[in-house]
Amino acid sequence: DAGVTQSPTHLIKTRGQHVTLRCSPISGHKSVSWYQQVLGQGPQFIFQYYEKEERGRGNFPDRFSARQFPNYSSELNVNALLLGDSALYLCASSPKRGWETQYFGPGTRLLVL
Amino acid sequence: KQEVTQIPAALSVPEGENLVLNCSFTDSAIYNLQWFRQDPGKGLTSLLLIQSSQREQTSGRLNASLDKSSGRSTLYIAASQPGDSATYLCAVLYSGGGADGLTFGKGTHLIIQP
Repeated sequence: DAGVTQSPTHLIKTRGQHVTLRCSPISGHKSVSWYQQVLGQGPQFIFQYYEKEERGRGNFPDRFSARQFPNYSSELNVNALLLGDSALYLCASSPKRGWETQYFGPGTRLLVL
Repeated sequence: KQEVTQIPAALSVPEGENLVLNCSFTDSAIYNLQWFRQDPGKGLTSLLLIQSSQREQTSGRLNASLDKSSGRSTLYIAASQPGDSATYLCAVLYSGGGADGLTFGKGTHLIIQP
């Protein structure tokens, strides 16, 4: 079975632009979470979606939004990009609401210039 | 604010040594604790998950322990190998039903010298 997949793998944007990152969970997993990992730091929780509804939100500005589709894939959107948004964005899936082992994808590396 | 701290931040040891990585957390009301491995520029690989009711978990050369009362966990790696070189992250899920996501430490960067 395929693991968690994310696209694109790398992305370069300029300040003020908008970006959409995509995640496909492991087949049968209904929960998707998004994390931001700045270089040298541990990942920080952004959102959790379960059964297409937002179940949790971390301490991120409203420029960050997400959604989950009927097939349980997910998109993370970031508007009005700032230099500080440069990071590795990780998606994780789990069978239920994330109380079990979370399986992470390879991430999308975003560079904002 | 819930915080997870990992000590040491970096560690370099010769191949074959046994080693211990430490993780501490400020709030003992955890649901579970998970250890991950991250290779440079890559995603996270789950190594071990300990539920709050458990004291330890083992997988191969890895053993993780959990002491909720003291807010500590350790990851023991036996007979280290160069392939174990990576960053090891500790993450805690607090008992809010998972809505807050995992809280991660900054990681321990481990180098095993051949």
